[in-house]
Amino acid sequence: EVQLVESGGGLVQPGGSLRLSCSASGFTFSTYAMHWVRQAPGKGLEYVSVISSNGANTYYTDSVKGRFTISRDNSKNTLYLQMSSLRAEDTAIYYCVKDSQWDQTWGVFDYWGQGTLVTVSS
Amino acid sequence: DIVMTQSPDSLAVSLGERATINCKSSQSVLYSSNNKNYLAWYQQKPGQPPKLLIHWASTRESGVPDRFSGSGSGTDFTLTISSLQAEDVAVYFCQQYYTTTPTFGQGTKLDIK
Repeated sequence: EVQLVESGGGLVQPGGSLRLSCSASGFTFSTYAMHWVRQAPGKGLEYVSVISSNGANTYYTDSVKGRFTISRDNSKNTLYLQMSSLRAEDTAIYYCVKDSQWDQTWGVFDYWGQGTLVTVSS
Repeated sequence: DIVMTQSPDSLAVSLGERATINCKSSQSVLYSSNNKNYLAWYQQKPGQPPKLLIHWASTRESGVPDRFSGSGSGTDFTLTISSLQAEDVAVYFCQQYYTTTPTFGQGTKLDIK
């Protein structure tokens, strides 16, 4: 059974930093691209970032470029999102999401974690 | 970025009746080289993450009931629930994966009338 478990969310002041983690199991983690998608409370879904299966390629939506860094450790089956210079508008549930296509970055999301809430407020 | 616009924002349908949700993209998501529409649908129930229902605009995921169907091409798409069940109460999102930045519709909230 595929499981994605996020951690690391919490309350942080504007301008602060936070690192999210996502522990994956139930599939061969090193052969799938992984994504972060966020959802502000009561709002819609916003794409954040992707990392290729081997970690060589990354992509960020414009609103987080230069502030967020996605990475992965395939030996630990873990995905990360390092967030810095946080703003109020970054407040959201952050979902760790698996790409459905083996060894490609396709952008169809077949498994989602339960999410971790990040609140940016003074 | 491609803008995805869903209609209506919310709807209420009687149990056993048909529910129809529309999704329009600001540019075509039909890839001419393979004639596939890069469009997916998700269902999100309260307190849960989204669940993938359909990709390629009309291909149902394994385990998704056949009362769910997707149609459309180019810029206009539809998710149809042929006979609404109580467990279908949720917010539904369309999503394009045609470009490097996937984008979602704003969501359509489906309730029981």
